Amino acid sequence: QQQVKQSPQSLIVQKGGISIINCAYENTAFDYFPWYQQFPGKGPALLIAIRPDVSEKKEGRFTISFNKSAKQFSLHIMDSQPGDSATYFCAVTINTGTASKLTFGTGTRLQVTL
Amino acid sequence: NAGVTQTPKFQVLKTGQSMTLQCAQDMNHNSMYWYRQDPGMGLRLIYYSASEGTTDKGEVPNGYNVSRLNKREFSLRLESAAPSQTSVYFCASSARTGGIYEQYFGPGTRLTVT
Repeated sequence: QQQVKQSPQSLIVQKGGISIINCAYENTAFDYFPWYQQFPGKGPALLIAIRPDVSEKKEGRFTISFNKSAKQFSLHIMDSQPGDSATYFCAVTINTGTASKLTFGTGTRLQVTL
Repeated sequence: NAGVTQTPKFQVLKTGQSMTLQCAQDMNHNSMYWYRQDPGMGLRLIYYSASEGTTDKGEVPNGYNVSRLNKREFSLRLESAAPSQTSVYFCASSARTGGIYEQYFGPGTRLTVT
Protein backbone atom coordinates (compact mmCIF):
# COMPACT_ATOMS: atom_id res chain seq x y z
CA GLN A 1 0.00 0.00 0.00
CA GLN A 2 2.41 2.64 -1.25
CA GLN A 3 0.61 5.89 -0.57
CA VAL A 4 3.53 8.18 -1.38
CA LYS A 5 5.70 8.03 -4.49
CA GLN A 6 8.92 10.06 -4.37
CA SER A 7 11.29 10.97 -7.20
CA PRO A 8 14.06 11.08 -8.14
CA GLN A 9 15.82 8.37 -6.17
CA SER A 10 19.08 10.32 -6.35
CA LEU A 11 20.07 13.80 -7.43
CA ILE A 12 23.37 15.55 -8.09
CA VAL A 13 23.34 19.35 -8.13
CA GLN A 14 26.13 21.86 -8.39
CA LYS A 15 26.70 24.30 -5.59
CA GLY A 16 24.43 27.28 -6.05
CA GLY A 17 21.92 25.35 -8.13
CA ILE A 18 18.31 24.46 -7.40
CA SER A 19 17.42 21.00 -6.09
CA ILE A 20 13.89 19.79 -6.77
CA ILE A 21 12.35 16.66 -5.26
CA ASN A 22 8.82 15.55 -6.05
CA CYS A 23 6.19 13.50 -4.26
CA ALA A 24 2.76 12.25 -5.25
CA TYR A 25 0.16 10.78 -2.92
CA GLU A 26 -2.83 8.57 -3.45
CA ASN A 27 -5.74 9.74 -1.33
CA THR A 28 -6.90 13.02 0.14
CA ALA A 29 -7.36 12.33 3.84
CA PHE A 30 -4.07 13.77 5.07
CA ASP A 31 -3.58 16.57 7.57
CA TYR A 32 -0.20 17.93 6.54
CA PHE A 33 2.81 17.18 4.38
CA PRO A 34 6.28 17.32 5.93
CA TRP A 35 9.75 16.92 4.53
CA TYR A 36 12.44 15.27 6.64
CA GLN A 37 16.21 15.52 6.18
CA GLN A 38 18.53 12.70 7.19
CA PHE A 39 22.31 12.75 7.39
CA PRO A 40 24.28 9.46 7.36
CA GLY A 41 24.20 7.69 10.71
CA LYS A 42 21.53 10.03 12.10
CA GLY A 43 17.80 9.95 12.53
CA PRO A 44 15.58 12.06 10.27
CA ALA A 45 14.80 15.62 11.32
CA LEU A 46 11.85 17.78 10.29
CA LEU A 47 12.88 20.32 7.67
CA ILE A 48 9.63 22.01 6.66
CA ALA A 49 5.93 21.12 6.52
CA ILE A 50 2.82 22.43 4.78
CA ARG A 51 -0.90 22.18 5.46
CA PRO A 52 -3.25 21.23 2.58
CA ASP A 53 -4.98 24.62 2.57
CA VAL A 54 -1.74 26.38 1.56
CA SER A 55 -0.12 26.23 -1.89
CA GLU A 56 3.39 27.29 -0.95
CA LYS A 57 5.54 27.64 2.14
CA LYS A 58 9.02 29.08 2.27
CA GLU A 59 11.59 28.87 5.05
CA GLY A 60 14.94 30.32 4.12
CA ARG A 61 16.29 28.45 1.09
CA PHE A 62 13.66 25.69 1.39
CA THR A 63 10.24 25.91 -0.27
CA ILE A 64 7.36 23.45 -0.44
CA SER A 65 5.00 23.76 -3.39
CA PHE A 66 1.68 21.97 -2.95
CA ASN A 67 -0.84 21.10 -5.67
CA LYS A 68 -3.93 19.65 -4.01
CA SER A 69 -5.84 18.88 -7.23
CA ALA A 70 -2.89 16.96 -8.67
CA LYS A 71 -2.10 15.34 -5.29
CA GLN A 72 1.52 16.39 -5.63
CA PHE A 73 3.99 18.37 -3.57
CA SER A 74 7.62 19.21 -4.06
CA LEU A 75 10.64 20.49 -2.17
CA HIS A 76 12.81 23.17 -3.75
CA ILE A 77 16.22 23.93 -2.30
CA MET A 78 17.53 27.22 -3.62
CA ASP A 79 21.26 28.04 -3.73
CA SER A 80 22.09 24.43 -2.83
CA GLN A 81 25.15 23.99 -0.62
CA PRO A 82 27.43 21.01 0.05
CA GLY A 83 26.05 20.95 3.59
CA ASP A 84 22.62 20.14 2.09
CA SER A 85 23.95 16.76 0.92
CA ALA A 86 21.67 14.31 2.69
CA THR A 87 18.70 12.03 2.10
CA TYR A 88 15.32 13.77 1.94
CA PHE A 89 12.01 12.09 2.69
CA CYS A 90 8.57 13.43 1.98
CA ALA A 91 5.70 12.17 4.10
CA VAL A 92 1.95 12.37 4.46
CA THR A 93 0.43 12.65 7.90
CA ILE A 94 -2.79 11.73 9.62
CA ASN A 95 -3.42 13.30 13.00
CA THR A 96 -5.33 10.99 15.33
CA GLY A 97 -5.95 13.74 17.87
CA THR A 98 -3.26 12.56 20.25
CA ALA A 99 -0.57 11.39 17.81
CA SER A 100 0.44 11.62 14.18
CA LYS A 101 0.90 8.74 11.80
CA LEU A 102 3.50 9.38 9.11
CA THR A 103 3.79 7.50 5.84
CA PHE A 104 7.13 8.23 4.22
CA GLY A 105 8.27 8.28 0.64
CA THR A 106 11.23 6.14 -0.34
CA GLY A 107 13.77 8.95 -0.09
CA THR A 108 16.01 11.01 -2.39
CA ARG A 109 19.75 11.06 -1.91
CA LEU A 110 20.98 14.56 -2.72
CA GLN A 111 24.61 15.29 -3.44
CA VAL A 112 25.70 18.90 -3.89
CA THR A 113 29.03 19.19 -5.64
CA LEU A 114 31.50 22.07 -5.56
CA ASN B 1 18.30 17.71 27.05
CA ALA B 2 19.41 14.46 25.42
CA GLY B 3 16.26 14.31 23.27
CA VAL B 4 15.51 10.75 22.13
CA THR B 5 18.05 8.10 23.08
CA GLN B 6 18.21 4.49 21.86
CA THR B 7 20.15 1.48 23.03
CA PRO B 8 21.96 -0.44 21.75
CA LYS B 9 23.46 1.30 18.71
CA PHE B 10 24.37 -1.96 17.00
CA GLN B 11 23.27 -5.56 17.53
CA VAL B 12 23.83 -8.88 15.78
CA LEU B 13 21.38 -11.69 16.49
CA LYS B 14 21.04 -15.24 15.30
CA THR B 15 17.73 -16.41 13.85
CA GLY B 16 15.36 -17.29 16.66
CA GLN B 17 17.02 -15.17 19.34
CA SER B 18 15.07 -12.48 21.14
CA MET B 19 15.97 -8.98 22.15
CA THR B 20 14.51 -5.69 23.31
CA LEU B 21 15.37 -2.32 21.83
CA GLN B 22 15.17 0.49 24.35
CA CYS B 23 14.04 4.06 23.73
CA ALA B 24 13.73 7.00 26.11
CA GLN B 25 12.86 10.66 25.66
CA ASP B 26 13.30 13.55 28.06
CA MET B 27 11.07 16.09 26.28
CA ASN B 28 7.88 15.20 28.17
CA HIS B 29 6.18 14.11 24.94
CA ASN B 30 3.02 12.04 25.12
CA SER B 31 3.40 10.21 21.81
CA MET B 32 6.16 7.79 20.87
CA TYR B 33 6.82 5.68 17.76
CA TRP B 34 8.92 2.84 16.39
CA TYR B 35 9.97 2.75 12.72
CA ARG B 36 12.16 0.52 10.65
CA GLN B 37 14.23 1.82 7.74
CA ASP B 38 15.20 -0.43 4.86
CA PRO B 39 17.09 0.54 1.69
CA GLY B 40 14.76 1.83 -1.00
CA MET B 41 11.70 1.66 1.26
CA GLY B 42 11.89 4.74 3.43
CA LEU B 43 10.75 4.48 7.04
CA ARG B 44 7.77 2.34 7.96
CA LEU B 45 5.80 2.63 11.18
CA ILE B 46 5.85 -0.52 13.33
CA TYR B 47 3.93 0.57 16.45
CA TYR B 48 3.09 3.79 18.17
CA SER B 49 1.88 4.92 21.57
CA ALA B 50 -0.31 8.01 21.76
CA SER B 51 0.02 8.19 25.53
CA GLU B 52 1.24 6.23 28.52
CA GLY B 53 -0.64 2.95 28.74
CA THR B 54 -1.76 2.81 25.09
CA THR B 55 -0.19 1.22 22.04
CA ASP B 56 -1.40 0.75 18.48
CA LYS B 57 -0.21 -1.10 15.41
CA GLY B 58 1.38 0.70 12.50
CA GLU B 59 2.01 -0.49 8.98
CA VAL B 60 4.37 -3.43 9.73
CA PRO B 61 3.68 -4.80 13.26
CA ASN B 62 4.11 -8.53 12.61
CA GLY B 63 6.96 -10.10 14.56
CA TYR B 64 7.19 -7.24 17.07
CA ASN B 65 5.77 -6.31 20.44
CA VAL B 66 6.00 -3.02 22.30
CA SER B 67 5.72 -1.78 25.85
CA ARG B 68 5.12 1.79 26.95
CA LEU B 69 6.78 1.46 30.32
CA ASN B 70 6.05 5.04 31.42
CA LYS B 71 5.84 8.44 29.76
CA ARG B 72 9.60 8.47 29.01
CA GLU B 73 10.22 4.94 27.78
CA PHE B 74 8.93 2.88 24.86
CA SER B 75 10.55 -0.48 24.10
CA LEU B 76 10.37 -2.74 21.06
CA ARG B 77 10.76 -6.49 21.43
CA LEU B 78 11.61 -9.12 18.85
CA GLU B 79 10.53 -12.46 20.31
CA SER B 80 12.08 -14.69 17.64
CA ALA B 81 14.29 -12.74 15.27
CA ALA B 82 14.24 -13.49 11.55
CA PRO B 83 16.64 -12.34 8.79
CA SER B 84 13.80 -10.23 7.37
CA GLN B 85 14.04 -8.10 10.50
CA THR B 86 17.53 -6.95 9.61
CA SER B 87 17.08 -3.20 9.48
CA VAL B 88 17.79 0.12 11.13
CA TYR B 89 15.25 0.86 13.85
CA PHE B 90 14.32 4.39 14.84
CA CYS B 91 12.36 5.56 17.82
CA ALA B 92 10.64 8.93 17.77
CA SER B 93 8.51 11.10 20.02
CA SER B 94 6.24 13.95 19.05
CA ALA B 95 4.83 17.20 20.30
CA ARG B 96 2.05 19.31 18.83
CA THR B 97 3.30 22.66 17.57
CA GLY B 98 0.85 24.93 15.76
CA GLY B 99 -1.32 22.07 14.55
CA ILE B 100 1.61 19.95 13.44
CA TYR B 101 2.99 17.01 15.40
CA GLU B 102 6.71 17.32 14.86
CA GLN B 103 8.42 13.98 15.33
CA TYR B 104 11.87 13.92 16.91
CA PHE B 105 13.95 10.88 16.03
CA GLY B 106 16.63 9.04 17.93
CA PRO B 107 19.97 8.02 16.37
CA GLY B 108 18.80 4.51 15.48
CA THR B 109 19.74 0.90 16.22
CA ARG B 110 21.33 -1.10 13.43
CA LEU B 111 20.19 -4.71 13.78
CA THR B 112 21.54 -7.65 11.79
CA VAL B 113 19.91 -11.07 12.02
CA THR B 114 21.97 -13.94 10.63
